[in-house]
Amino acid sequence: QVHLQESGPGLVKPSQTLSLTCAVSGGSTSTGNYHWTWIRQAAGKGLQWMGRIHTSGSADYNPSLKSRLTIWLDTSRHRFSLSLSSVTAADTAMYFCTRQTLHDGIDWEFDPWGQGALVTVSS
Amino acid sequence: QTVVTQEPSFSVSPGGTVTLTCGLRYGSVSGSHFPNWFQQTPGQAPRTIIYSTHIRSSGVPDRFSGSILGKKAALTITGAQAEDESDYYCVLYVGSGIWVFGGGTKLTVL
Repeated sequence: QVHLQESGPGLVKPSQTLSLTCAVSGGSTSTGNYHWTWIRQAAGKGLQWMGRIHTSGSADYNPSLKSRLTIWLDTSRHRFSLSLSSVTAADTAMYFCTRQTLHDGIDWEFDPWGQGALVTVSS
Repeated sequence: QTVVTQEPSFSVSPGGTVTLTCGLRYGSVSGSHFPNWFQQTPGQAPRTIIYSTHIRSSGVPDRFSGSILGKKAALTITGAQAEDESDYYCVLYVGSGIWVFGGGTKLTVL
């Protein structure tokens, strides 16, 4: 059973870079047909799809974040990470990692999910 | 910019049936948008309920069902229970590797 766990600094200063890692236990980020995905949620708000990276290393990003966001795989350490530059208070949110799994060649399921990591942007 | 629409709130009586919808501000939702539905309670990570329009995730009770109704994706709860009171989100695949969430529906069971 695959388990995901987010980690990273809980506080980031404005204009700096936010970095988070999602550790994958019980599985590997380098094998299988999966998209490793980041989703965030500001307090009291809805979910926002940020981006994803395929096992092959190909990434897709939310157009509204694309200029500031990078997602990459660390296959040797069974984890994937995100970097969000030039952060502002609007980037304060709970950040979730999840895996998109392909079923029957066409159906994508978001499962499992990490429990989330809270990041606050403040000086 | 693609906007995915959901009802902000809905209420249902215990044992009743409720249908939540997920639409596009411009256009119709179809199976090619691969609608997913998630349930989220306060302080918890989302839980996947339905993927690819109608497929229930493992362990999800069969009172939850997904479909396309008219121009929208739909999540129906038949025989709602108190524990179904949650926020429900849909997400749609809009092409080029991009997914877009709806704003969520707060479901009250009372």
